[in-house]
Parts: sequence; C-alpha cells; structure tokens
Amino acid sequence: ETGVTQSPTHLIKTRGQQVTLRCSSQSGHNTVSWYQQALGQGPQFIFQYYREEENGRGNFPPRFSGLQFPNYSSELNVNALELDDSALYLCASSLAQGGFGGYTFGSGTRLTVV
Amino acid sequence: GESVGLHLPTLSVQEGDNSIINCAYSNSASDYFIWYKQESGKGPQFIIDIRSNMDKRQGQRVTVLLNKTVKHLSLQIAATQPGDSAVYFCAEKNGGSQGNLIFGKGTKLSVKP
Repeated sequence: ETGVTQSPTHLIKTRGQQVTLRCSSQSGHNTVSWYQQALGQGPQFIFQYYREEENGRGNFPPRFSGLQFPNYSSELNVNALELDDSALYLCASSLAQGGFGGYTFGSGTRLTVV
Repeated sequence: GESVGLHLPTLSVQEGDNSIINCAYSNSASDYFIWYKQESGKGPQFIIDIRSNMDKRQGQRVTVLLNKTVKHLSLQIAATQPGDSAVYFCAEKNGGSQGNLIFGKGTKLSVKP
C-alpha cells in the first residue's frame, strides 16, 4: 500500500507567477483535500475533490484552483502568486464513503514566493 | 465561529513521564476528532481518533479523552520518549463523511532525556 506522495518537495516562485502542485492519493482512497500551512500554524483547508469535482472549499480566493483526475490524483494551481502564499501545502487523501478515519497526509510542498 | 484551539503552545516533559496535551473545540456538531503528530519537514501523521459517541479511546501508549460537555479533547502519551518530540495538532471533522478537517495551532512537545 502506497501513501500520499506530493511533488515537488520544494519550490521557489516570483510574485505574480503561477504554480502547480501535484498529489498522488493513497491506494484505495478516492477523495483528495488540500491544506495550506503557514509557519507556526495549523493546516487550513483549501478545498476537497471527490469524483473529479470540487466538494467543499475553505476561505481561499478563486486564484486557488484544483483538479482531480480519474486515478484520484490531484493538482493544486495558484495564480498571481503573492508573498503571503509562501507556506507548506499539504495534500490529504481519504475514503469518502463511511469517512471516519483514513485522512492520510503527504509530506507537503514547501512553496516560497519572493 | 468554528475553531479548534490548544491551551498550551509548548510542553516540556522528562523522558519516561506521561504527557497530556489539551485541545478545546467550539463546534458542538463536530462528530469526529483526530490527533496528529507533525515532525519538522514532514506532513501530519495520524496518531489516534475518536468519534463523538465515545468518551475515551486507547491506542499503543496513547489515549484520547473527549468531554463533549465542555468541548474538550486531550491526548495522553504514556512513558514519553525522545521520539515523541514534535508538534501535536487536534483536528475536528466539519460536516458529514466528506467534511474537511479544522486544525488548531498545535502544541510543541519537547522531551528531555
């Protein structure tokens, strides 16, 4: 059984640029959620994808968008990067049906915006 | 608004002692709670969970207690080891089976040898 894998592990971008982060869900999991974790803070929910559609969104602007693919992997896209977007971006996969438990996190992508 | 928070931002214990990490939550409708451990440079690692219809759940060296009356959650770690040093987060599940997790700011546990 493979866990959640994220790529890249680290990334440096310039303000105004666009970035795409990738996540492969754990085997058997069909739901992917993305979280933003600022330094010294707890993760904040961005959005969740189930059956290739957005299924819940946190308090993030539309320049944060995502995709889920038929194999349940997912992408997080951020347009018009701002300095405050610098954070650790975490992907978590879970099994939607009977969804107590199984929120497995990847190691994250550390994004630095300069 | 809905929030999950922790009473103590840092906790220092002696190796071998028991640790207790506390958490307060505000959404009485939350039905599921999880404790995560996060080491530097890594993602949150699942420790133990508890549903709202339970008061206590035990794992290997860890116990979670849920007091719904005062909306309080605690994580007890028995015989704390240096490898337990990390930041610990409690999280509550918002909504139904596809609900997102709401995290607190975390407690940093330091274990002195």
